[in-house]
Amino acid sequence: DVKVTQSSRYLVKRTGEKVFLECVQDMDHENMFWYRQDPGLGLRLIYFSYDVKMKEKGDIPEGYSVSREKKERFSLILESASTNQTSMYLCASRSSGDIDTQYFGPGTRLTVL
Amino acid sequence: GQSLEQPSEVTAVEGAIVQINCTYQTSGFYGLSWYQQHDGGAPTFLSYNALDGLEETGRFSSFLSRSDSYGYLLLQELQMKDSASYFCAVRDGGTGFQKLVFGTGTRLLVSP
Repeated sequence: DVKVTQSSRYLVKRTGEKVFLECVQDMDHENMFWYRQDPGLGLRLIYFSYDVKMKEKGDIPEGYSVSREKKERFSLILESASTNQTSMYLCASRSSGDIDTQYFGPGTRLTVL
Repeated sequence: GQSLEQPSEVTAVEGAIVQINCTYQTSGFYGLSWYQQHDGGAPTFLSYNALDGLEETGRFSSFLSRSDSYGYLLLQELQMKDSASYFCAVRDGGTGFQKLVFGTGTRLLVSP
């Protein structure tokens, strides 16, 4: 079974803090993704990585950055957290040979006060 | 770009059959995927249709009509545990790297 894990299920931070969200997958997948999920807005893509050290902006990258130094790990960084970044953050991975099947982590519910 | 439309909510009773529709607009189409997400849980892959017709997997079936840009997820013999959100998804069909674009999801409420 593919397993995607995220470092925290719940996180509370203060405005202006730097926040790190970590994601690890154990299936040697090339592609990894970060989404945020908000009620009524579905899953919105923040950033993705198609291979180690490679990253691309998604639909809503403003206020975020990412890092992929190792194949199994993809980190999302909020440089200076703001209240409008309060959300559920979901990490996903997939094999480059099976584009339509993404495996999601359990999510991190981030609250910025 | 890609856009998908789904109903926001569907309700049904245990043992019934329910259909969740998805219409899409894409600049290049490869196939339609479905994902299930329980409250507080991770989305999980359910099915993928690349060709027209019905694909059956147990109580769940997925249908695609490419000419109508339309698909649906059919859930039979509904159980309480089927209460969840269901998302359809298509590839962002440009050249090069292809991302998935998700609909906003349909919340299914199954009552006794």
